[in-house]
Amino acid sequence: QSALTQPPSASGSPGQSVTISCTGTSSDVGDYNLVSWYQQHPGKAPKLMIYEVSKRPSGVPDRFSGSKSGNTASLTVSGLQAEDEADYYCSSYAGSNSVIFGGGTKLTVL
Amino acid sequence: EVQLVESGGGWVQPGGSLRLSCAPSGFTFNTYAMHWVRQAPGKGLEFVSSISSNGVTTYYANSVKGRFTISRDNSKNILYLQMGSLRAEDMSVYYCVRDIGGLRWSFAFDYWGQGTLVTVSS
Repeated sequence: QSALTQPPSASGSPGQSVTISCTGTSSDVGDYNLVSWYQQHPGKAPKLMIYEVSKRPSGVPDRFSGSKSGNTASLTVSGLQAEDEADYYCSSYAGSNSVIFGGGTKLTVL
Repeated sequence: EVQLVESGGGWVQPGGSLRLSCAPSGFTFNTYAMHWVRQAPGKGLEFVSSISSNGVTTYYANSVKGRFTISRDNSKNILYLQMGSLRAEDMSVYYCVRDIGGLRWSFAFDYWGQGTLVTVSS
């Protein structure tokens, strides 16, 4: 299984919206609604932001939203804030009880 | 408050073994599937292994299959990862994580430990 494909970087100004893509195949992203997104600040453990494509865990701001179309999932951050600057990773169930991650996207708030 | 505290990391020579432990608190441990996820220095996340809430079902990434063993002791509230035949490419921070799905597998990880560093080097 290859890693999911994410753009290495993304950026936006405070208040703007930014969307990060996560492309897989028909055997992972396209086949299961088990896509998750994680935020990781430097030196910290990842934090779950979105699960099962579009669900938000308790405590995650509604500025964060997820969606999926075919083999590509997306994370949209609306109303960008300085504290949103971090690395973002997507993951998907890939069958045979395995999980694959994307390579990560560094989000910069300009 | 949910907490996951890993221990057992350290330096080991190639071919050596190490056992990681994870002590959970703040939730009913035996009602959640658990996983190990690792992250090499400066790199992305990699799934390592999963175990069902009752410890009966386990899964492994191909990269560790046959070398690592995940287990749990629900009576003592502890999760383990026994690592053997360690290679340089196993060098990573290892995170103990909880599956948000509880008794059912969701493969989304809602709580993470602080991580424990495993260094494999001669």
